Amino acid sequence: GAVVSQHPSRVICKSGTSVKIECRSLDFQATTMFWYRQFPKKSLMLMATSNEGSKATYEQGVEKDKFLINHASLTLSTLTVTSAHPEDSSFYICSAFSGTGNYGYTFGSGTRLTVV
Amino acid sequence: DQQVKQNSPSLSVQEGRISILNCDYTNSMFDYFLWYKKYPAEGPTFLISISSIKDKNEDGRFTVFLNKSAKHLSLHIVPSQPGDSAVYFCAAAGGGADGLTFGKGTHLIIQP
Repeated sequence: GAVVSQHPSRVICKSGTSVKIECRSLDFQATTMFWYRQFPKKSLMLMATSNEGSKATYEQGVEKDKFLINHASLTLSTLTVTSAHPEDSSFYICSAFSGTGNYGYTFGSGTRLTVV
Repeated sequence: DQQVKQNSPSLSVQEGRISILNCDYTNSMFDYFLWYKKYPAEGPTFLISISSIKDKNEDGRFTVFLNKSAKHLSLHIVPSQPGDSAVYFCAAAGGGADGLTFGKGTHLIIQP
């Protein structure tokens, strides 16, 4: 079946630094990838949608300058949290959509970001 | 405004019995519904889905029922097993690749 690899699984960084999270579709080409954020005891909130070769579409309230998304190829999307602050600490999950057949949403394993 | 609602934050069921997780939605444009299982610090794992043109889909111990008129769906797990203990998310999708809208999840606890 479709596999999405996300790494790192956990990262600790200092305030003010930037962190990059990678999301790769291993055995299929992902025309669209999604980035979600999960707050403690809350649902997964869609942050942005990225389409290969074009600019990402951000959900309302998500700062596009803070959460930079790049989808340079059909198998790789990256989320860069710039100038990280403690309030950015969260669990980030990517999902890839193959655009074929069934609703092929496959999730990565998530990244636990802690900003100290 | 929550478009997908899971009104039970937690549910406790005895092993071997049926677990029923409920989900309500408000957006009539949703045409596909999915259930995911999630363990702490892991990504969601797909369980089962249903298209809006169907009212039931079954896969092993898992069955999803959809009542479009009531904008309600439910996930039945029978028989419930200890390994089923996890958080279950209901998700909905509209037409096209526009991401999923998730409910807040229900923490299912299977008691021995």
